[in-house]
Formats: sequence, structure tokens, C-alpha cells
Amino acid sequence: DARVTQTPRDKVTEMGQEVTMRCQPILGHNTVFWYRQTMMQGLELLAYFRNRAPLDDSGMPKDRFSAEMPDATLATLKIQPSEPRDSAVYFCASAPGGGGPTDTQYFGPGTRLTVL
Amino acid sequence: GENVEQHPSTLSVQEGDSAVIKCTYSDSASNYFPWYKQELGKGPQLIIDIRSNVGEKKDQRIAVTLNKTAKHFSLHITETQPEDSAVYFCAARRQAGTALIFGKGTTLSVSS
Repeated sequence: DARVTQTPRDKVTEMGQEVTMRCQPILGHNTVFWYRQTMMQGLELLAYFRNRAPLDDSGMPKDRFSAEMPDATLATLKIQPSEPRDSAVYFCASAPGGGGPTDTQYFGPGTRLTVL
Repeated sequence: GENVEQHPSTLSVQEGDSAVIKCTYSDSASNYFPWYKQELGKGPQLIIDIRSNVGEKKDQRIAVTLNKTAKHFSLHITETQPEDSAVYFCAARRQAGTALIFGKGTTLSVSS
């Protein structure tokens, strides 16, 4: 049963600390998305990659957030320094790519981040 | 850019009743409209989707309708069950391989 995995599932940290979230997309999927979910804003896109190259990171605060794909099986989202307003659930999603009708996005279980 | 509005934000029904959630979108170029179900503590899961060349799609108790002219689409759940209780999100997308734009979600509660 192929699925997107994310670690850690929960993270509590203090303001100013660095946070790294990891995502393993479904094997063979070439498009990876990072979304953030809050009560106020709902689900918002932060960034996404195709074939490991960043395509759109306009939703990400550039001064503190960075997203990378070191290889095809790992995507990372880093926040440095973290702030209380970064508290949210961060989801990774992957899609097969190719532009075909089956290009469905599959979501991971999320990382719940709390910044004190 | 695309904007997706979703209504209602909360919906309570009795078991066995039908539930309808409606969404409108702003970008006439959007051509793919998925619906996701999110249970507590989990990531959104796709339950049904529709593409712009189709007006209606059904999967057992779930159906989605699309009106391209009016730029709105709806989720219909019939014979609701307590396990249908969750948050439902609609979304829209212009092009395969690009990001989804989500509505704000509808919390559905089905009481037995």
C-alpha cells in the first residue's frame, strides 16, 4: 500500500529554533507539494517540485523557510528561525506527474508544529 | 489567481439523510475539481474528482456535479452514516501537475 510518509508527526519547539520536516513521496511520483494548514487560512500551498526542481515557492516566507529535494525519495522543509505564527500542520503531497488524467495528489499524515 | 469558495462551513445531518456541499471557483481555465475528506489527525484523502469535460460523476453514495457556465461544483452524499463525519474540502486546478487551490472546508457531523 503505497503512501506518503512524513516525519516527525509532532514537533514542539521554542521560538528561534530550527525545525526540519521530512517527506518521503510515493515511489515513482515526480511532483511533490508542501501545504500548510491553519484554522484561519485553511490549506495553503507553500512550494512544489517536479523532478526535484522547485517550480513554485511563492507561498513561502523566503527569509525563514526553505524547501529542498536532496533526492527523489526525500523532500525537506526547514524553518529557521521558527516563530509562534509558524504553528500549523504541514502536509506533504505527491503526484505521479506526466500531466495525465490520473495526476492525483496523495497527502501524507502531516507534521503538527507548535512553536512556543 | 484562482479563488475557491466553499459553503457551508458546518453541516449537521441525521443518519440516513443527504448532505450537499457547494463550491464556486473564479478561474474559468480550471479544469479539475477534486474533493478530499479529512478525518481528525490525518491528511486529506481524495474521495472523488471530476474533470471539466464531465457534468456529473457518481461513486456509490457519493456524487459530484459540475456547472462550468456558473463555475460551481457540488458534493452530494446520500444515506449518510456516522463514519461520514469529517471535514470535506473542495479544490480546483488549472493544469495537471500544478498545485490545488482549496476551499476553506466543511465540517460534516452525522448523528445517529
